[in-house]
Amino acid sequence: DVKVTQSSRYLVKRTGEKVFLECVQDMDHENMFWYRQDPGLGLRLIYFSYDVKMKEKGDIPEGYSVSREKKERFSLILESASTNQTSMYLCASSLSFRVRSNQPQHFGDGTRLSIL
Amino acid sequence: KNQVEQSPQSLIILEGKNCTLQCNYTVSPFSNLRWYKQDTGRGPVSLTIMTFSENTKSNGRYTATLDADTKQSSLHITASQLSDSASYICVVSGGHAGKSTFGDGTTLTVKP
Repeated sequence: DVKVTQSSRYLVKRTGEKVFLECVQDMDHENMFWYRQDPGLGLRLIYFSYDVKMKEKGDIPEGYSVSREKKERFSLILESASTNQTSMYLCASSLSFRVRSNQPQHFGDGTRLSIL
Repeated sequence: KNQVEQSPQSLIILEGKNCTLQCNYTVSPFSNLRWYKQDTGRGPVSLTIMTFSENTKSNGRYTATLDADTKQSSLHITASQLSDSASYICVVSGGHAGKSTFGDGTTLTVKP
């Protein structure tokens, strides 16, 4: 069965800290995604990666960076955390990102991050 | 701008009743539309997917419809159960580079 694992369910950090959120998938998927989910705003794409060492900005990349050194692992980095980055962060993976691909995204259970 | 709008924002029904959730979109060009179910504290899980040529798709008690001409979709839940309490998210893929646009979701509460 498909599994996407996020390293922490809950995380509390302080303003200005560098924060790492880790995501691992065991399905040999090409594509991985980082979203944040806020009430009333739905899921918004931060960054995605379609291959090892490749990354593309999503809709809201400011204040974030990502790293994909291995196919199964995709890390989200908050370089200097701020209170407006308090949110639920969801990682996802999919087999293919090609247009008209019908492959679903498989999501982890999320990391609820609080920045104090 | 690609948008996906869902209604209602929230819904409360009694166990055993049916309900219908709506999704309107402006994504163009269109590739596919997917409904996800997100239980509290969990990530979204795919329920159904429909492409341009499909107008109905069922998954157990869940039936999704698509009208590509009016750019509307609905998710019908039959004989609701307590476990159906969740957020239901409509996602439309297509547009520039096949990106996915997410709706804000409808929160369904099923009461005994």
